[in-house]
Amino acid sequence: AQSVTQLGSHVSVSEGALVLLRCNYSSSVPPYLFWYVQYPNQGLQLLLKYTSAATLVKGINGFEAEFKKSETSFHLTKPSAHMSDAAEYFCAVSERGNNRLAFGKGNQVVVIP
Amino acid sequence: AAGVIQSPRHLIKEKRETATLKCYPIPRHDTVYWYQQGPGQDPQFLISFYEKMQSDKGSIPDRFSAQQFSDYHSELNMSSLELGDSALYFCASSETTGGYGYTFGSGTRLTVV
Repeated sequence: AQSVTQLGSHVSVSEGALVLLRCNYSSSVPPYLFWYVQYPNQGLQLLLKYTSAATLVKGINGFEAEFKKSETSFHLTKPSAHMSDAAEYFCAVSERGNNRLAFGKGNQVVVIP
Repeated sequence: AAGVIQSPRHLIKEKRETATLKCYPIPRHDTVYWYQQGPGQDPQFLISFYEKMQSDKGSIPDRFSAQQFSDYHSELNMSSLELGDSALYFCASSETTGGYGYTFGSGTRLTVV
């Protein structure tokens, strides 16, 4: 079964600094990979997704992620953190032909002024 | 653009009561998914439906049942509620079963007292 690992439940970043959230996946078949953001008391919003096209994926709000098969990783980055980036971020994986999403434990991002 | 609509937004029930959550997918989306997110937890897949038939089943308790109707809306029925059922319940919909990532609703927060 597919799974993802996100290390560091809480991530603090200074405003204007690089945001880096790590995600490693496990899948027996080529995966589909996703990053979702969740603001307090809100639903899950899709940031970006990898579905076997370009390995560098650009998403909303200035985020991007790179699929690295050799490292089984799909890390999320943003060059300059903004206060509005404070939220919880989930990495998720789906196997082709199996649409259930398996989520990581999430990263709670705190942006320090 | 139309989104996934869930009702109610909040629900308070007593132990052993029954609750019904409703989900209205994006128009032309034929697949509906249900997820449960406990406090401080990642979302867990419960069940999905494609063209009104159950397409996948996850960690859904036997006390729970769900169905998708002819207009593609879905209902999650939960009986004999337990304190541990208190969670945020998300519905999501997609146009195909291709696993390309789907759109989540804002969720129903169920509190069992």
